[in-house]
Amino acid sequence: AQTVTQSQPEMSVQEAETVTLSCTYDTSENNYYLFWYKQPPSRQMILVIRQEAYKQQNATENRFSVNFQKAAKSFSLKISDSQLGDTAMYFCAFLPGNGQNFVFGPGTRLSVLP
Amino acid sequence: DTGVSQNPRHKITKRGQNVTFRCDPISEHNRLYWYRQTLGQGPEFLTYFQNEAQLEKSRLLSDRFSAERPKGSFSTLEIQRTEQGDSAMYLCASSPRGTGGPDTQYFGPGTRLTVL
Repeated sequence: AQTVTQSQPEMSVQEAETVTLSCTYDTSENNYYLFWYKQPPSRQMILVIRQEAYKQQNATENRFSVNFQKAAKSFSLKISDSQLGDTAMYFCAFLPGNGQNFVFGPGTRLSVLP
Repeated sequence: DTGVSQNPRHKITKRGQNVTFRCDPISEHNRLYWYRQTLGQGPEFLTYFQNEAQLEKSRLLSDRFSAERPKGSFSTLEIQRTEQGDSAMYLCASSPRGTGGPDTQYFGPGTRLTVL
């Protein structure tokens, strides 16, 4: 069974600064996908970024980028130029290549301070 | 595109009662998912439909839980004889069928269940 670990329950960052959220996972599969989802307070979850395990290049979406280290089974999220609207719970998630069963980590609560 | 909607948004019930939640996916999304999220935790997968077929069920889905998607559009999740441990946020998500690899799952706002 796959597991996803997020070792930082809470983090804070000053507006305009950069922050990195950690995620590690455990799997014996070679084909899989990794995601970061964001859940703002009292609002629904939205996708931030996704990474295919077979791709060596790290995914980037505007101010969001990942550092995917397949051998180390690490998938961290970097948020540059943090904005107040980035305040949210951030969930790292694993999806096996042949399944539809997402495995989510416990989340990191990020607060962006003015 | 009005997004995934869920009703009701909040439900308070007494232990032992039955409850039913509804999820309306984004139109033309043929995949639909149910998750449970308890306070301070990430969502846990419950079940998944492709059109009207229920293709995968988690061991978390005990025999008191049943999900249906009769016409491949909206879905219902019923919990019979509710227990206090069922108190959680129940999330629904939908995705279109892609030609390769997984498609992004779009989440609804959730139904928060409180069992007294």
